[in-house]
Amino acid sequence: GQQVMQIPQYQHVQEGEDFTTYCNSSTTLSNIQWYKQRPGGHPVFLIQLVKSGEVKKQKRLTFQFGEAKKNSSLHITATQTTDVGTYFCAGNQNNNDMRFGAGTRLTVKP
Amino acid sequence: NAGVTQTPKFQVLKTGQSMTLQCAQDMNHEYMSWYRQDPGMGLRLIHYSVGAGITDQGEVPNGYNVSRSTTEDFPLRLLSAAPSQTSVYFCASSTPRRHTEAFFGQGTRLTVV
Repeated sequence: GQQVMQIPQYQHVQEGEDFTTYCNSSTTLSNIQWYKQRPGGHPVFLIQLVKSGEVKKQKRLTFQFGEAKKNSSLHITATQTTDVGTYFCAGNQNNNDMRFGAGTRLTVKP
Repeated sequence: NAGVTQTPKFQVLKTGQSMTLQCAQDMNHEYMSWYRQDPGMGLRLIHYSVGAGITDQGEVPNGYNVSRSTTEDFPLRLLSAAPSQTSVYFCASSTPRRHTEAFFGQGTRLTVV
């Protein structure tokens, strides 16, 4: 079945450093979504990528979808303490269920 | 605009007890789903529904039942609670167009002792 792997599991950075989390699927995805979950909160949608090779930016966040539509990444430039949380990717393979990666927990030291 | 509402927020059950986690959305979303979240394992799909009267199994459906009699409600039933079902449960919904932004409820923290 469809598997979505995400690395790293944890990342601790100094404020101002960059951060990247990677998502890989065992199968070709029709699209991929990214979510952020603050500690004690619920996942909140960040973005959806649909096209092969697509790159989207939201301020300091850059999202990429691989050419083969099997991998994706989220890069945060110059992290801030407000970036703390767990980042999840979620992909689907032309069916109705979204499969989530295990998430990357980001902590930021001021 | 309430969005997705889950009740209860916290629940403690004894092994073997049954209960229903409630989920309601007021956005007229056809797609609804239930996930459980365990440390280091992300969100795992339990059951989902693409519309009233239609449900299907996800990755980890054993021990759980769902029904979808209305567009708004998607309850999750634990038939006989086990300690392995201790987890945080999230309900989510999304628009009629497939694979769009999912809106999550606040979650239910369930402990089975």
